[in-house]
Amino acid sequence: SQTIHQWPATLVQPVGSPLSLECTVEGTSNPNLYWYRQAAGRGLQLLFYSVGIGQISSEVPQNLSASRPQDRQFILSSKKLLLSDSGFYLCAWSGIKQGASSYNEQFFGPGTRLTVL
Amino acid sequence: QKEVEQDPGPLSVPEGAIVSLNCTYSNSAFQYFMWYRQYSRKGPELLMYTYSSGNKEDGRFTAQVDKSSKYISLFIRDSQPSDSATYLCAMSVLSLIQGAQKLVFGQGTRLTINP
Repeated sequence: SQTIHQWPATLVQPVGSPLSLECTVEGTSNPNLYWYRQAAGRGLQLLFYSVGIGQISSEVPQNLSASRPQDRQFILSSKKLLLSDSGFYLCAWSGIKQGASSYNEQFFGPGTRLTVL
Repeated sequence: QKEVEQDPGPLSVPEGAIVSLNCTYSNSAFQYFMWYRQYSRKGPELLMYTYSSGNKEDGRFTAQVDKSSKYISLFIRDSQPSDSATYLCAMSVLSLIQGAQKLVFGQGTRLTINP
């Protein structure tokens, strides 16, 4: 079966510090990968998506960047965090699930709660 | 105008009640509709999906799509306290080929089922 992992689960960082959040998927190959941010009481905002290694598309210009160094690994980074970067960060995947193609449905990880002070 | 509108609630109902959650959308190109359930401090989990007008049932849950009105609903029968969560609708253009599919989410409705 397919599983998606995110770490860390919780992070408290000072303004101006760097950030690295990691997401990995198991049990599938060549997934599409996504990073979302969810502010308190708000819907999900798509930040980045990737269809393959080294292929990153940015949805919203901001203080963050993403990389995909391996097929099933997706990293969200920042060189200098802002207060406005606080939120719940979610990684998701879509693709081959249990032998069937599933390009419309996305499956989410447990999330990372980031607080910037 | 947002592409997808969803009343954020909160919605509080007694155990056993029928719950109706709704979203409206403006983009007629949307063909694929999903409902996610999100417990507090957890990632969303996919509840149901459909890509046609009409009803789809799964146990106590029924998803309904009315493309002519650009309106989707999720009904929960015999609601339980364990159904207490935030429910998010999501939709996209139907994709039949491999490629990243952008989902547009509603804001989410916070639901509480009282014992």
